Amino acid sequence: AQTVTQSQPEMSVQEAETVTLSCTYDTSESDYYLFWYKQPPSRQMILVIRQEAYKQQNATENRFSVNFQKAAKSFSLKISDSQLGDAAMYFCAHSGAGSYQLTFGKGTKLSVIP
Amino acid sequence: DAGVIQSPRHEVTEMGQEVTLRCKPISGHDYLFWYRQTMMRGLELLIYFNNNVPIDDSGMPEDRFSAKMPNASFSTLKIQPSEPRDSAVYFCASSGDPQGSEAFFGQGTRLTVV
Repeated sequence: AQTVTQSQPEMSVQEAETVTLSCTYDTSESDYYLFWYKQPPSRQMILVIRQEAYKQQNATENRFSVNFQKAAKSFSLKISDSQLGDAAMYFCAHSGAGSYQLTFGKGTKLSVIP
Repeated sequence: DAGVIQSPRHEVTEMGQEVTLRCKPISGHDYLFWYRQTMMRGLELLIYFNNNVPIDDSGMPEDRFSAKMPNASFSTLKIQPSEPRDSAVYFCASSGDPQGSEAFFGQGTRLTVV
């Protein structure tokens, strides 16, 4: 069974600064996908970034990037130039290739201080 | 496409009553998922369908819960009879990429059982 652990229930960052959210996972699969989802107060789950496990290059989407350490089973999210709209719950998730179902961490609540 | 559409957005019902949650996936997506989100347990997969066929319902908490997908554009999650501990946000999500790619979420139904 897969597990996803987010050890930081809450984080805060000053506007325009950089913050890193941590995530570790455990899986027996050799091929899988990792995701970061954002959930603002509106409740909508929004995909932030995705990483395929077979790719060594870290994924990047504008201000969002990941540090994927496969051997350590670590998948952290870095948000650069933080904006007020980044304030939300962030969930790390795992999906085995071919299984299509997501296993989520418990989430990290990010606050952005003006 | 309008995205994944769930109804209702909010539901308040009395203990013992039947509750039906509805979902319209994104057109063309072969996979449909039902998740439940609570403070205590986070996001949990309840059941998922592939081409309208239930594939894994091991996350369904008990026989009071049932899900159907009569066609490619509609699914229901029914709770009968409802209990206060069923209070949660229920999400429907769909995915069209067989390689374990992004799942698109609806806005969720917040269920309150009093």
